[in-house]
Amino acid sequence: KNEVEQSPQNLTAQEGEFITINCSYSVGISALHWLQQHPGGGIVSLFMLSSGKKKHGRLIATINIQEKHSSLHITASHPRDSAVYICAVRLNTGTASKLTFGTGTRLQVTL
Amino acid sequence: DGGITQSPKYLFRKEGQNVTLSCEQNLNHDAMYWYRQDPGQGLRLIYYSQIVNDFQKGDIAEGYSVSREKKESFPLTVTSAQKNPTAFYLCASSTILRGSNQPQHFGDGTRLSIL
Repeated sequence: KNEVEQSPQNLTAQEGEFITINCSYSVGISALHWLQQHPGGGIVSLFMLSSGKKKHGRLIATINIQEKHSSLHITASHPRDSAVYICAVRLNTGTASKLTFGTGTRLQVTL
Repeated sequence: DGGITQSPKYLFRKEGQNVTLSCEQNLNHDAMYWYRQDPGQGLRLIYYSQIVNDFQKGDIAEGYSVSREKKESFPLTVTSAQKNPTAFYLCASSTILRGSNQPQHFGDGTRLSIL
């Protein structure tokens, strides 16, 4: 079983829909990252969370440490949001900068 | 603008050849990382370095080698010992602040294919 599980694996939405992508992890963590990977392959860091909630534009990320779960929400989705969204966690043990990654959620937003 | 530059974007290798992927950053980050991405799998750590002239193996270091002679540069060599080198390779960097987690910045990746 992977230490980081994302759902759904694939998601298709129409423009304007509210989107939720989930991430569950099975180990103690010190931080959780949400990343966005565009079709060309480059990755952009969206959020880093240790607790609570963060918002940037139409993106909202939440984390529940007790339940070992995080969600990424996209409000008023747009075709340019189409990408792979990756959850990554920094474990409590080991080297401070090592991340463990989920397999990603592929989002396609259509007109 | 500051960032991470990976080159080339596409790379082809004949079996039995070594090939080196370049990664340069001008963010003044201490830490640099190499990841491998395969279809249907999460990114896996190959090697990382937290300081010049020092580096550590990640989860899948066999068949790879790195060097960190300069802070800005962290080249990855895929050796002939790597039996399945076809993959997408991503380089990343981050600052290191004791007790504080810092986001990693990623390059655009290099796609390596075996001819």
